[in-house]
Amino acid sequence: NAGVMQNPRHLVRRRGQEARLRCSPMKGHSHVYWYRQLPEEGLKFMVYLQKENIIDESGMPKERFSAEFPKEGPSILRIQQVVRGDSAAYFCASSPPGTSVLYEQYFGPGTRLTVT
Amino acid sequence: AQSVAQPEDQVNVAEGNPLTVKCTYSVSGNPYLFWYVQYPNRGLQFLLKYITGDNLVKGSYGFEAEFNKSQTSFHLKKPSALVSDSALYFCAVRVSSGGYQKVTFGIGTKLQVIP
Repeated sequence: NAGVMQNPRHLVRRRGQEARLRCSPMKGHSHVYWYRQLPEEGLKFMVYLQKENIIDESGMPKERFSAEFPKEGPSILRIQQVVRGDSAAYFCASSPPGTSVLYEQYFGPGTRLTVT
Repeated sequence: AQSVAQPEDQVNVAEGNPLTVKCTYSVSGNPYLFWYVQYPNRGLQFLLKYITGDNLVKGSYGFEAEFNKSQTSFHLKKPSALVSDSALYFCAVRVSSGGYQKVTFGIGTKLQVIP
């Protein structure tokens, strides 16, 4: 059973370009979470999605950032018109269906975005 | 609102000595607590969790954690540290929020095991 997969692992974008980060959850998992990690700031929640639904996007900036988890295919975190401050490691995690507190999250290896 | 505090940015310990990484939490309901470890340039890996039952929880790689309700703490421990334990450790708390389980992570504690 493959783990959570993220691609690309490293992404370099110039200021003003768009960044698309992909996340394929573990097989059988229908819940996806995106986090951003900055040095000295720990792991910050961005958005929680289920198939075709955004459940909680309270941690996502209101502008330039969007996320989706379509019925088919990976979850996408999209950052439009990137700025240097967007440079960070972005992690995706998944968990099984249901809301049981028993479920831990399984993390992907992350995408390291560098904006030049 | 729920929160997690990891009061130490870094913990240094000599190889073979016991280690403790501290975590305290604040929630309005029953806490469900987790520890994760992150090695350089990797994602987080689950170590252990407390849901209910025994206050001492055993997890992967010889780690354990003690849930203390009166002190609202969930400290991570290991009897004998290995150099390979050097990594970033995250405590997390999970509570119900609007019908789903919201997870909040601490800022992380860097563990350095000195040979």
